Order: sequence, then C-alpha cells, then structure tokens
Amino acid sequence: EIVLTQSPGTLSLSPGERATLSCRASQSVSSNFLAWYQQKPGQAPRLLIYGASNRATGIPDRFSGSGSGTDFTLTISRLEPEDFAVYYCQQYGTFGQGTKLEIK
Amino acid sequence: EVQLVESGGGLVQPGGSLRLSCTASGFTFSSNWMSWVRQAPGKGLEWVANIKQDGSQKYYLASVKGRFTISRDNAKNSLYLQMNSLRAEDTAVYYCARVGDSYGQYFDYWGQGTLVTASS
Repeated sequence: EIVLTQSPGTLSLSPGERATLSCRASQSVSSNFLAWYQQKPGQAPRLLIYGASNRATGIPDRFSGSGSGTDFTLTISRLEPEDFAVYYCQQYGTFGQGTKLEIK
Repeated sequence: EVQLVESGGGLVQPGGSLRLSCTASGFTFSSNWMSWVRQAPGKGLEWVANIKQDGSQKYYLASVKGRFTISRDNAKNSLYLQMNSLRAEDTAVYYCARVGDSYGQYFDYWGQGTLVTASS
C-alpha cells in the first residue's frame, strides 16, 4: 500500500507570497494518478489539480502542480486571502495527511 | 450544475446500522464511478468505498470490508452506503464524491457531507 506524506504540516505565509507544498509517495506512482484538493473549515474538499499538473475546472492559474515518481508539488504563486486552507494530495484510495496553510 | 446531496446520517449506538444515500443531479449518473469518502472530527480524509458505473465492481477500505456495502441505483440517480456493525471509530462526516476519470480515480465533485456518530 502506498503512503503519501505531506510536508510541511503547517505553513505560515502572508498574502502575496508564494506557497510550495510537498507530497512524497512511499513508492513510485504514475503522474496520472496524483490529485490535490483544498478544504476550508466546514466545507467539502474541492479538486484543484488532477494528473499531477492539470488544473480542474474553474481553478485560478495561480495554482499549479508538478512532479513525478515519488515527489509532487503544489505551488500557489501569489497567495490570496481565500487560499488559506488545508490541502491534501491523493492517489487512488490514499490521501496524504494534509498541509494547513495559515496566515502569518 | 453537478450536485450531490447526502442524507441518512445521525446518531447510532455501536453495533448498530445506518444507510446513507446520495442523490445526484446535473450529469449522467450512470457514466461515472462513484465513491464515499469520510473525515473523522478534526482529522484528514479517508476513502471508504467506490463502485463502477454498472455496479459490477466494488472496492472497500480494509477496515470497513464485510461491514459496509456500497450500491447504486442508476434509474434513481442514487448512491448508497449500508453501514452495519458500526464502531466508534466510524464516527465521521461521510462525503459522496464523483470519480472524475475512471483511469485517474480522482474526485471532481463532492457533496456537503452527512455526519455519522456511533456512540452510546
């Protein structure tokens, strides 16, 4: 079973800064199967990125995904106030434990 | 507009049963795999089960196998999760999610969730 480990656990940044979130798999996975989600308190998760680098419908272009093999990255180029949330990576039936992006 | 609406959650004693429903609209329900994903209070996301378009393939999280059953009724645009022998550790918000791509198995639309509490 593949384990996805996200880092850091918490990331403290200011609006306008660049955020880099990491997702590391315990074994190599196909880029086709890596997705990223955003979840705000009291809300359902929202798909951001699928196939490691494809933005979902309606997702702003400040969100981008990259990576291959065991190392994947979600980058938010310039943080907006609404981007502060918890982010999860996912591959098939496995989710990472999440990274909380908080306002510094 | 794609919509997924869950219902059926509530308080149940450990060992009890509950049936969750999810009603879909805004897309051709029979064209997509569907899944249940849960989130325990204050915790992360955990995939529970998924089902193929025609119901011929079903997969489960190891800890719920034999206790939970996923099913669907394409004529009613509905997804179900029958939960038996509930345990305290099954307490969570249960989300219905549409699988966006059969190959990639990512979840492109989610319902608002329904809370299941297994407690005496």
